[in-house]
Amino acid sequence: SQTIHQWPATLVQPVGSPLSLECTVEGTSNPNLYWYRQAAGRGLQLLFYSVGIGQISSEVPQNLSASRPQDRQFILSSKKLLLSDSGFYLCAWSDPRGFQPQHFGDGTRLSIL
Amino acid sequence: AQTVTQSQPEMSVQEAETVTLSCTYDTSESNYYLFWYKQPPSRQMILVIRQEAYKQQNATENRFSVNFQKAAKSFSLKISDSQLGDTAMYFCAFILVSSGSARQLTFGSGTQLTVLP
Repeated sequence: SQTIHQWPATLVQPVGSPLSLECTVEGTSNPNLYWYRQAAGRGLQLLFYSVGIGQISSEVPQNLSASRPQDRQFILSSKKLLLSDSGFYLCAWSDPRGFQPQHFGDGTRLSIL
Repeated sequence: AQTVTQSQPEMSVQEAETVTLSCTYDTSESNYYLFWYKQPPSRQMILVIRQEAYKQQNATENRFSVNFQKAAKSFSLKISDSQLGDTAMYFCAFILVSSGSARQLTFGSGTQLTVLP
């Protein structure tokens, strides 16, 4: 069966520090991968998605970036975090061949001080 | 562009009763999928139910069922025999069936459901 792992679960970082959140998927090949952000009490905002290695599409211009160095690995990064980057970050995957729903990781709660 | 609207930010229901959460969407396309996701306090995003737009029959999953009205672009979720564990934020979501896309989900803003003992 397919599983998705996302870490860390919680992160507290100072303003201006770098960021790296990692997401890996097991049990499937060539998944579509997604990064979402959820501000407190709000809905989900799609940040990035990827349909293959090295293929990244950005939905929202910001100081975040994403990379997909391997088929089942998706990384969210920043060189310098802003206070506005605080939130709950969710990674998700979907099967590109069918129209299956997206499956989400457990999320990372990011607090910027 | 597609939009999803959930007009009820908060709802409550007594345990064992039935509640309906509303969702409307806007699209000019005819082929799409609709989903309801549940996000409990743990903040995990859990799929509740899925509906294919080409199917007229409403989807059901145990105590969860939908009322899909394609002409009205309405997709409500009915929870029967509500349980305390149903307390969560519920998100309606939409995805186009179009080739060549990453099939991005568009989410509504969510409805916080509280089941009261």
